Amino acid sequence: IQLTQSPSSLSASVGDRVTITCRASQGISSFLAWYQQKPGKAPKLLIYAASTLESGVPSRFSGSGSGTDFTLTISSLQPEDFATYYCQQLNSYPFTFGGGTKVEIK
Amino acid sequence: EVQLVEAGGGLVQPGRSLRLSCTASGITFGDYGTSWVRQAPGKGLEWVGFIRSKTYGGTTEYDASVKGRFSISRDESNSIAYLEMNSLKTEDTAVYYCTRTRGMVRGGVINYNALDVWGQGTTVIVSS
Repeated sequence: IQLTQSPSSLSASVGDRVTITCRASQGISSFLAWYQQKPGKAPKLLIYAASTLESGVPSRFSGSGSGTDFTLTISSLQPEDFATYYCQQLNSYPFTFGGGTKVEIK
Repeated sequence: EVQLVEAGGGLVQPGRSLRLSCTASGITFGDYGTSWVRQAPGKGLEWVGFIRSKTYGGTTEYDASVKGRFSISRDESNSIAYLEMNSLKTEDTAVYYCTRTRGMVRGGVINYNALDVWGQGTTVIVSS
């Protein structure tokens, strides 16, 4: 299963609403997770089961979708949110990742 | 504190072997699977493979790019997972992360839904 993220990068300002899209090449139900990775650090789980917020993750992050189309939304971008975001499908092996979306400061 | 610590990375020549380890602490190791994920320099995340917990058979899955060359195993008594890498290629150069793979059981079947704990990563460089 291929996952296509868009855009591959974006520039945004603090306080902006940001939406990242992940499209699967075939239906994956809700077996989708989102991760945040900062330079030189390991990824961090943000959302699983497409829309369930991982414990401890700020509520400005939200996820939606099922089947083939998914979105990650950051309602009000904060300075610490500038990072690269990845989606991952866990519907079938191999558990592929999307190509990533780099969120940069405008 | 829940923690995964990888070790064993380094510089290795093409065609040679290397074994990475991942030691878990603060985790009930046997309740979760273990995945390995790698990241080549400047590139995105790539899922390498996975081993189910002994409870669910201890079986493995691999990406096609490493199948037949890489092998994942676990030492349940010491809470350690291993990634045995053989016939290494230059394109295997990456930071390798081990991760706890979490799932939910429904009707006696486990569906994995997240890699919720990650190690700090260990760097493997394959070069002559």
